[in-house]
Amino acid sequence: DAGVTQSPTHLIKTRGQQVTLRCSPKSGHDTVSWYQQALGQGPQFIFQYYEEEERQRGNFPDRFSGHQFPNYSSELNVNALLLGDSALYLCASSFSSVRGRVGEQYFGPGTRLTVT
Amino acid sequence: KNEVEQSPQNLTAQEGEFITINCSYSVGISALHWLQQHPGGGIVSLFMLSSGKKKHGRLIATINIQEKHSSLHITASHPRDSAVYICAVGSYGGSQGNLIFGKGTKLSVKP
Repeated sequence: DAGVTQSPTHLIKTRGQQVTLRCSPKSGHDTVSWYQQALGQGPQFIFQYYEEEERQRGNFPDRFSGHQFPNYSSELNVNALLLGDSALYLCASSFSSVRGRVGEQYFGPGTRLTVT
Repeated sequence: KNEVEQSPQNLTAQEGEFITINCSYSVGISALHWLQQHPGGGIVSLFMLSSGKKKHGRLIATINIQEKHSSLHITASHPRDSAVYICAVGSYGGSQGNLIFGKGTKLSVKP
C-alpha cells in the first residue's frame, strides 16, 4: 500500500497564475481533505471531498477549488495566485463510515508551493 | 484565542529525558490527534484518541475529556525524536470531519 501520495513535490509559480495539485488517497479511503500550512504555522483546513462533492469548507476564498474523481483521487486548484498562497499544501485521506463519521486521517508528504 | 493551544512552543531536551507536550482545546470534539512533522513537511499520525490513554513504543498519549486537555509523553527521548509535534482535534458537529490544529511544539533532543 503506497499510502497517500501527492504531486508535484515542489512547485514555483508567479503571481496571477493558476496551479493544480494532486492527491491519491490511501487504498480503501473515500474521503480527501486539503490543508494549507504556512511557514511556522499549523495546517488550516481548506475543504473536504466525499462522494465527488465538497462536503465541508474552511475559510478560504473561491479562488481555491477542488475536485474528487470516481477513484477517490482529488485535485486542488488555486486561481489568480497571490504571494500569500506560498505554503505547504497537505492532503489527508480517511474513510467515512455509513453514519458519516470520518476516521483517522492519513497525511501525504505535501506539495510545497512558492509564488514569486 | 486559538481553539487548540499547545505548550510549550519550543522544547530542548537531553537524550534520555522524559518529555511532556500539552494540548488544551476549547471546542467539543469527537477525537484528538497527535501528529509528528519532520523538516521537509511530511506529517505522520501518531495517535487518535477520544478517551483514556494509548501507548505505542516510547510514546504515550492521554486525554481528559472533562478538562479538555491532552498530553503526549516521550520516554527515554532520542535525537531521532526531534520534530514538530502537532495536536489536532476533530470537531464532528453538523457535518463531518475537518481537523483544527494547534501551532505545534518544536522538539529538539540533544545527544
